[in-house]
Amino acid sequence: DGGITQSPKYLFRKEGQNVTLSCEQNLNHDAMYWYRQDPGQGLRLIYYSQIVNDFQKGDIAEGYSVSREKKESFPLTVTSAQKNPTAFYLCASSISARGIYGYTFGSGTRLTVV
Amino acid sequence: DAKTTQPNSMESNEEEPVHLPCNHSTISGTDYIHWYRQLPSQGPEYVIHGLTSNVNNRMASLAIAEDRKSSTLILHRATLRDAAVYYCIPITGNQFYFGTGTSLTVIP
Repeated sequence: DGGITQSPKYLFRKEGQNVTLSCEQNLNHDAMYWYRQDPGQGLRLIYYSQIVNDFQKGDIAEGYSVSREKKESFPLTVTSAQKNPTAFYLCASSISARGIYGYTFGSGTRLTVV
Repeated sequence: DAKTTQPNSMESNEEEPVHLPCNHSTISGTDYIHWYRQLPSQGPEYVIHGLTSNVNNRMASLAIAEDRKSSTLILHRATLRDAAVYYCIPITGNQFYFGTGTSLTVIP
């Protein structure tokens, strides 16, 4: 079945470390997105990509970086510059940059700073 | 971006219908109205979407007001598996914004 795979499900980071969250989709979707969710809050957009080798900052991009070298993959790196990275991270994709057809989400990665 | 207003929480008895309201008074003419739901520690799941007409699928029905300033997600018979946070999202272009949604509790 097609879908989005996020890994790992749980991730622990030490202070000052960079960590990379994986997001892979086999839906042949053009657009991909990264969101952050804090307890009891909605989703906030970190980065999005409409096509390969192109991406744009969302509302809370500081301290994060992404790449889109392949259509299927959109990894997110949480850098040491992100001061409060503990959160639930969600990756999503849509058929095209116009999301009227809906979005498919992964199951999320829970990142904890220890 | 169109802003939405949803009740923070609602309760329903199992096997009864549930009507989840959403106000989106600033919606533009090209915004599709999407509904998603999210179970704890999972990613949101698509439920239904529509533009102007009422829509039905196997999960739910979507009733859209004639002026499109509000919509209602209808779960015809709530089950315990329907307990989740439901988000109403007007979508246009390539971004979408989730508010805090409505937390639905289903009472056995």
